[in-house]
Amino acid sequence: AQSVAQPEDQVNVAEGNPLTVKCTYSVSGNPYLFWYVQYPNRGLQFLLKYITGDNLVKGSYGFEAEFNKSQTSFHLKKPSALVSDSALYFCAVRDIKNDYKLSFGAGTTVTVRA
Amino acid sequence: DAGVIQSPRHEVTEMGQEVTLRCKPISGHDYLFWYRQTMMRGLELLIYFNNNVPIDDSGMPEDRFSAKMPNASFSTLKIQPSEPRDSAVYFCATSGRPPDTQYFGPGTRLTVL
Repeated sequence: AQSVAQPEDQVNVAEGNPLTVKCTYSVSGNPYLFWYVQYPNRGLQFLLKYITGDNLVKGSYGFEAEFNKSQTSFHLKKPSALVSDSALYFCAVRDIKNDYKLSFGAGTTVTVRA
Repeated sequence: DAGVIQSPRHEVTEMGQEVTLRCKPISGHDYLFWYRQTMMRGLELLIYFNNNVPIDDSGMPEDRFSAKMPNASFSTLKIQPSEPRDSAVYFCATSGRPPDTQYFGPGTRLTVL
């Protein structure tokens, strides 16, 4: 079975500081990994994905994520957070040996204070 | 492209009534997914289609829920009869051939009184 864990329910940072949102995954084979962001009363928006290749993936709005196979992690990062980055962030995984379902984490609420 | 379109955006109904949620996928996307989001259970996959055919409905909570995709441009999720515990935000998402990204619609917020 495939699953992801987001160990932090909430992350609070000051504007201009680095932002990290943690995600660990479990799959039987090689993973496809995704990050989504959800703003209040909106649908999920795609940020970035890891399929294969370079372990550092760059995505929308200045976000990036690093795939670490040995630690089974895929943490989302932004060097300098903005107040507008305050939202709910979801990590998701799909096992390439599985069907086409994504398994989502519980989400991490990010609050960036001015 | 207009993205995934869902209607209605908000639905308030009384227990026992039939509810129909609608989704128009992104043109050319072969896969369509219905999700439900609640505070208690997070984001749950209900059912997904490939080329209009239901592939996995193991997430559908019970027989009161049904979903159809009569053509490549339209899908419905129906709840009959609705119950208060069905109150949630229902999302439709579509993608091209995996591992393509799933793109989500804005969701339908359902309240069953």
